Amino acid sequence: RKEVEQDPGPFNVPEGATVAFNCTYSNSASQSFFWYRQDCRKEPKLLMSVYSSGNEDGRFTAQLNRASQYISLLIRDSKLSDSATYLCVVNKIQKLVFGTGTRLLVSP
Amino acid sequence: GAGVSQSPRYKVAKRGQDVALRCDPISGHVSLFWYQQALGQGPEFLTYFQNEAQLDKSGLPSDRFFAERPEGSVSTLKIQRTQQEDSAVYLCASSVTGANVLTFGAGSRLTVL
Repeated sequence: RKEVEQDPGPFNVPEGATVAFNCTYSNSASQSFFWYRQDCRKEPKLLMSVYSSGNEDGRFTAQLNRASQYISLLIRDSKLSDSATYLCVVNKIQKLVFGTGTRLLVSP
Repeated sequence: GAGVSQSPRYKVAKRGQDVALRCDPISGHVSLFWYQQALGQGPEFLTYFQNEAQLDKSGLPSDRFFAERPEGSVSTLKIQRTQQEDSAVYLCASSVTGANVLTFGAGSRLTVL
């Protein structure tokens, strides 16, 4: 079993839709959690950190459920420019462990 | 420089050749990481440096892989006797310290024929 599991997608949604991605992680000792975004043939870039209290950045909301070892990302009012792969990331003993990513395609 | 710089951006090697990939981290960043990303997969951890000390090399797939950061700045990932399964994008990342917010370079895409 992979340490960080995500549905690879692709998720195909129309502009303006709300879409949610989830991931689960296996190491209950993990302390820090993130979502990174990766465009095709580009490097991963930090999208946002994830906290138990939940955090919001514009159209993006991230949530952590430690009891279930579950992380979510909600994107509201999807834009064409949101098309990318979203990587769920967990900090494990001074290294980041990445999921395989969930691919999002937003169409006009 | 403003970001993490990697070279070469593209490398084609014949099976059995040795390759060296260079990473120039953000100035002042203490921590440096190497990741390997195969097509359709997420980045997989290879190794981690804090200054010149290699603190974790548990992700290096075999003894053909070797990384160094002798002066605590530029790092080199060397792959000896390359195999086809080594074909991937090799990503370097740095951070002020630790493994929370990483800034990645554009990667070195290695193709082994």
